[in-house]
Amino acid sequence: QVQLRESGPGLVKSSESLSLTCSVSGGYISSDSYFWGWIRQPPGEGLEWIATTFNTGNTFYNPSLKSRVTISVDTSKNQFSLRLSSVTAADTAVYFCARQRRGISDYWGQGALVIVSS
Amino acid sequence: QSALTQPRSVSGSPGQSVTISCTGTSSHFGGYDYVSWYQQYPGKVPKLILFDVSKRPSGVPDRFSGSKSGNTASLTISGLQTEDEADYYCCSYGGSYTFFGSGTKLTVL
Repeated sequence: QVQLRESGPGLVKSSESLSLTCSVSGGYISSDSYFWGWIRQPPGEGLEWIATTFNTGNTFYNPSLKSRVTISVDTSKNQFSLRLSSVTAADTAVYFCARQRRGISDYWGQGALVIVSS
Repeated sequence: QSALTQPRSVSGSPGQSVTISCTGTSSHFGGYDYVSWYQQYPGKVPKLILFDVSKRPSGVPDRFSGSKSGNTASLTISGLQTEDEADYYCCSYGGSYTFFGSGTKLTVL
């Protein structure tokens, strides 16, 4: 059973960068069958796709966030990471990591709440 | 690109059927049939309930069905049960980008 777990600071100051890591167990990020992505959900709002990566390092970004987002993969640690720069209060959200294929997110982490403080 | 458009809320009585629409543009769908649907209870992780428009993951009841026509996808839940009360999100894959719908709150009266 594939399991994903997000980790990282729960509080980030406005204008700084948010960094999260997703650790994968029960499966290998190096698999050629799946992509790995980040999705967020502001409190009381809907889901928003942020970015997706493949084990080769290929990346895909939400155009609305592309200028501030970096997604990366570390196959040696079976982890992938998210960095979002110049955060504002609008970036306060629960951040989910997920296993993906053709946009389908079949396994999700439990989510990590990140609050941006002023 | 904005989110796919879903009705804000729908409701139905136990045993009835409800349909949730998900409308986008050709850019959202990219000519593919890569539409998925997620069920989310408050404070919980979204759960995949349909993929590739109408396929169900193992364990999802056949009361959940999906369809797509042009740039509108639909989720139909038949034989409504109280446990179906949740938020539902559609999702499309356009080749490089992934788009989520705005979300629909289903109330089972």
